[in-house]
Amino acid sequence: GDSVTQMEGPVTLSEEAFLTINCTYTATGYPSLFWYVQYPGEGLQLLLKATKADDKGSNKGFEATYRKETTSFHLEKGSVQVSDSAVYFCALSYNTDKLIFGTGTRLQVFP
Amino acid sequence: EADIYQTPRYLVIGTGKKITLECSQTMGHDKMYWYQQDPGMELHLIHYSYGVNSTEKGDLSSESTVSRIRTEHFPLTLESARPSHTSQYLCASSDEGRVTNEKLFFGSGTQLSVL
Repeated sequence: GDSVTQMEGPVTLSEEAFLTINCTYTATGYPSLFWYVQYPGEGLQLLLKATKADDKGSNKGFEATYRKETTSFHLEKGSVQVSDSAVYFCALSYNTDKLIFGTGTRLQVFP
Repeated sequence: EADIYQTPRYLVIGTGKKITLECSQTMGHDKMYWYQQDPGMELHLIHYSYGVNSTEKGDLSSESTVSRIRTEHFPLTLESARPSHTSQYLCASSDEGRVTNEKLFFGSGTQLSVL
């Protein structure tokens, strides 16, 4: 079945460091791909999305490119801030109305 | 931005009690969802609804039940809570008609602890 695999956390970085959170997916067709973020004590919020191969989603300095050849959608940010500390979820939606989420990756950014 | 509300925010109860987790949205969305988030953070869809009087079970089997009598309201009920039901429950809604533009709005969640 369709699935999403994320790198395990926590990811611990110093402020202004470069961030990569890996995400790969398994799907029988061409899903849309998403990154959601969950700040402490809050629900999930859509961070960015890409609907087809080679699309790049971007928001708040975060970017992710839909790579069909490697079935990946890695999240990157050039310079993280303490306020980016949160849990990040990769997800796909393929031919249904439901999202399939990865296990989440906790990011901790220290000053 | 999101107008979707869950109550209570935290709930601690004893085994065997009946509980209802409330979820309301003021956006007029047709689609609503319940996700269960385990301590390892993984999210599992347990129920969803496409509109009034429509309810379906999700990918993860759950002993809970849901109802959708009004568009804005999607409560989840456990008839007899057990410690294995301890989890975070997240409600979400969407009004995206096309799958490729699916965007979910999430509530802040209910953290349920069953003793």
